[in-house]
Amino acid sequence: DTGVSQDPRHKITKRGQNVTFRCDPISEHNRLYWYRQTLGQGPEFLTYFQNEAQLEKSRLLSDRFSAERPKGSFSTLEIQRTEQGDSAMYLCASSRSTDTQYFGPGTRLTVL
Amino acid sequence: AQTVTQSQPEMSVQEAETVTLSCTYDTSESDYYLFWYKQPPSRQMILVIRQEAYKQQNATENRFSVNFQKAAKSFSLKISDSQLGDAAMYFCAYRSGNSGYALNFGKGTSLLVTP
Repeated sequence: DTGVSQDPRHKITKRGQNVTFRCDPISEHNRLYWYRQTLGQGPEFLTYFQNEAQLEKSRLLSDRFSAERPKGSFSTLEIQRTEQGDSAMYLCASSRSTDTQYFGPGTRLTVL
Repeated sequence: AQTVTQSQPEMSVQEAETVTLSCTYDTSESDYYLFWYKQPPSRQMILVIRQEAYKQQNATENRFSVNFQKAAKSFSLKISDSQLGDAAMYFCAYRSGNSGYALNFGKGTSLLVTP
């Protein structure tokens, strides 16, 4: 296993801009999860996919957020019209079925 | 929704000593999983140990062990023979066994290891 990878590792953007993050899960992991972590807090669940299907979304995932997982491989998380409150670490994790979730290094977003 | 509480924002331990991190959770479910994750500064989250609620035996991974008290809804982590590399944020997490797969995390405990 090469581990979960995320790109970019850091992103600085201006308020109102759109940003997109990518997550590549561990190969053959059919479940993929997105979390958000703000300073001094534990990660908060955003959404998860089983293969290409998005099966659960948190109330934290406002209309400005959209996630996809085409072909059940990598996933993208897009934030439209970013706000300063979106500044956080965005974490991706993957797992086999209901097994343990393995996390990537995260993408740190700063909205100016 | 299930809540996870870590009542110790910070803990300190000397090298080679033992430390216990506390975690309590609130749930009405009987089937669930509990985890401890470690997050070193500026590094990614790593699984330390997991416990299935249906297992009475406490999980152990080398120097890490848990004290799982199901009736008390308590899940503490014991680190024996602490090493400098154990310094990190430690998060306790809960996952339902039958209603969704999201991890619910506590706010974390920052562990400092002193020489």
